[in-house]
Amino acid sequence: DTGVSQNPRHKITKRGQNVTFRCDPISEHNRLYWYRQTLGQGPEFLTYFQNEAQLEKSRLLSDRFSAERPKGSFSTLEIQRTEQGDSAMYLCASKVAGSTDTQYFGPGTRLTVL
Amino acid sequence: DAKTTQPNSMESNEEEPVHLPCNHSTISGTDYIHWYRQLPSQGPEYVIHGLTSNVNNRMASLAIAEDRKSSTLILHRATLRDAAVYYCILSRPGGSSNTGKLIFGQGTTLQVKP
Repeated sequence: DTGVSQNPRHKITKRGQNVTFRCDPISEHNRLYWYRQTLGQGPEFLTYFQNEAQLEKSRLLSDRFSAERPKGSFSTLEIQRTEQGDSAMYLCASKVAGSTDTQYFGPGTRLTVL
Repeated sequence: DAKTTQPNSMESNEEEPVHLPCNHSTISGTDYIHWYRQLPSQGPEYVIHGLTSNVNNRMASLAIAEDRKSSTLILHRATLRDAAVYYCILSRPGGSSNTGKLIFGQGTTLQVKP
């Protein structure tokens, strides 16, 4: 399977715990995006990388959130001291920069904070 | 970012054509019109995109108004598997200075009745 993969698919955690999600993009895609989707809403942009550089962060990304893409391949999104309001689907997408090419989304990681 | 407006929901019968409208009256000359759909419990998937001319692919057709202020996604024969949320998104391509992030609205929830 050469699509975008995300792990884990589901995560249940208690408030105050830290969680980390992983995204493996399509191998030749140099851009990687993170989105968050709450129930009944469309996905909202969080941040994106071009290769290993994080080029933009949304105001939604509080200082409890950090994302990395250390070698320009897979990416991780960490949430520290989780809150109930962090409960959402976290989606990863990848594409080739500078084109009209589509973004390819992974299946998402559903986070539930108790 | 230019905004799109879509009906909240639509219904269709199986095997019949479906026309999903989208208004984007503030579209700029370089904005592409993209359609994505999201099936239940999955990440969004690309459907089709266009700039000025009508476009066809194996999934759907995209009809773009001459003034580009509206467009219509056409599913020629709806199946039960087409039940999803359909998002109409404007995206501006370009070089490395363009983020390529997607701004999702709430989309149109399509119900397909057998």
